[in-house]
Amino acid sequence: DARVTQTPRHKVTEMGQEVTMRCQPILGHNTVFWYRQTMMQGLELLAYFRNRAPLDDSGMPKDRFSAEMPDATLATLKIQPSEPRDSAVYFCASGLQNYNSPLHFGNGTRLTVT
Amino acid sequence: AQTVTQSQPEMSVQEAETVTLSCTYDTSESDYYLFWYKQPPSRQMILVIRQEAYKQQNATENRFSVNFQKAAKSFSLKISDSQLGDAAMYFCAYRSVNTGTASKLTFGTGTRLQVTL
Repeated sequence: DARVTQTPRHKVTEMGQEVTMRCQPILGHNTVFWYRQTMMQGLELLAYFRNRAPLDDSGMPKDRFSAEMPDATLATLKIQPSEPRDSAVYFCASGLQNYNSPLHFGNGTRLTVT
Repeated sequence: AQTVTQSQPEMSVQEAETVTLSCTYDTSESDYYLFWYKQPPSRQMILVIRQEAYKQQNATENRFSVNFQKAAKSFSLKISDSQLGDAAMYFCAYRSVNTGTASKLTFGTGTRLQVTL
């Protein structure tokens, strides 16, 4: 059963440190999304890619966040420097370009910045 | 921009009973997709059911069905014969078919469903 794989599952870091989250989308999926989930804001879209090209990252704080897809099997989300307000669960999801195709989510990375 | 509203932060249902979760959305588009996702305590996001806006027939998946009212922009989820394993957060989501917004999902704030014995 194909799955989206996210690493690490949990990350605790100190304020100011760099954080890198990784995602392996399902083979053959050509769209990849990064969402952030918090109690206050719910699920927010940070960035997404189609065929590895970034389409929209307007939901991402540009000064500290960056998202890339170095190849079709890897998407990364980096935060540098991290801040306590970045504490959240970060989800990666992948899907096909067809609009009726559901997004498949990874198990998320729970980030805690102290 | 599209918005999705779930007005029930929490719901409770007894095992074997039926519960309906509400969702409304705002859009100016005529074609789009709607989804319900389930998030159990494991935090995995699991697709429950999907509906395409131009299809009049309500989608059904086993014990899960929707009541899609396009004119009212309403998309409620009915869970029949509720089971303990149905306890989770449920998110309603909207997906545009407008290539300008490139198929992102917009989520509601979620409804936490409790299932009691």
